[in-house]
Amino acid sequence: AQRVTQPEKLLSVFKGAPVELKCNYSYSGSPELFWYVQYSRQRLQLLLRHISRESIKGFTADLNKGETSFHLKKPFAQEEDSAMYYCALRAGANSKLTFGKGITLSVRP
Amino acid sequence: KAGVTQTPRYLIKTRGQQVTLSCSPISGHRSVSWYQQTPGQGLQFLFEYFSETQRNKGNFPGRFSGRQFSNSRSEMNVSTLELGDSALYLCASSFGGASDTQYFGPGTRLTVL
Repeated sequence: AQRVTQPEKLLSVFKGAPVELKCNYSYSGSPELFWYVQYSRQRLQLLLRHISRESIKGFTADLNKGETSFHLKKPFAQEEDSAMYYCALRAGANSKLTFGKGITLSVRP
Repeated sequence: KAGVTQTPRYLIKTRGQQVTLSCSPISGHRSVSWYQQTPGQGLQFLFEYFSETQRNKGNFPGRFSGRQFSNSRSEMNVSTLELGDSALYLCASSFGGASDTQYFGPGTRLTVL
């Protein structure tokens, strides 16, 4: 069975500081990895997915199959980045999404 | 294009009762997935329906059931409610293809007293 682990519950940084939100997964096949974000009073929404290999709102994430990780990074945090972030895995075509427990990112002015 | 809608937004029930939650997907989407969100467990997958058929199922007891109608609207039912069923229930819709993005609704907050 697949599992997603987000080892930290809270990350608090100052504006302008680098951010790294950790995500590790366990799955024997080739997974599809996602980061979802939930801003205050807003819906959960897709931030980025590893197959797109794109940067969204300055965030990037690289799938490291050797370390089974998909950490989310941003070089300079902004206050508007404060939100709940979830890492998720899909084990195959048409399979369910498995979410980590999420991490709260707080960016202080 | 209108987003995913869920009704009702808030519900208060007592133990032993049953409840039905509704989800209307984005127009054209044929897949609806349901999740339970709690502070302790995060987001847990309940089930997914595609073209009126259950395609995936999570590890929840049989008290949790769902269905999907021909217009892709979906309902989720929880029978014999327990205190631990108090949670935010989210639904998400997509076209249903292998790598399609899921779009989430605002959720239904269920409180069981």
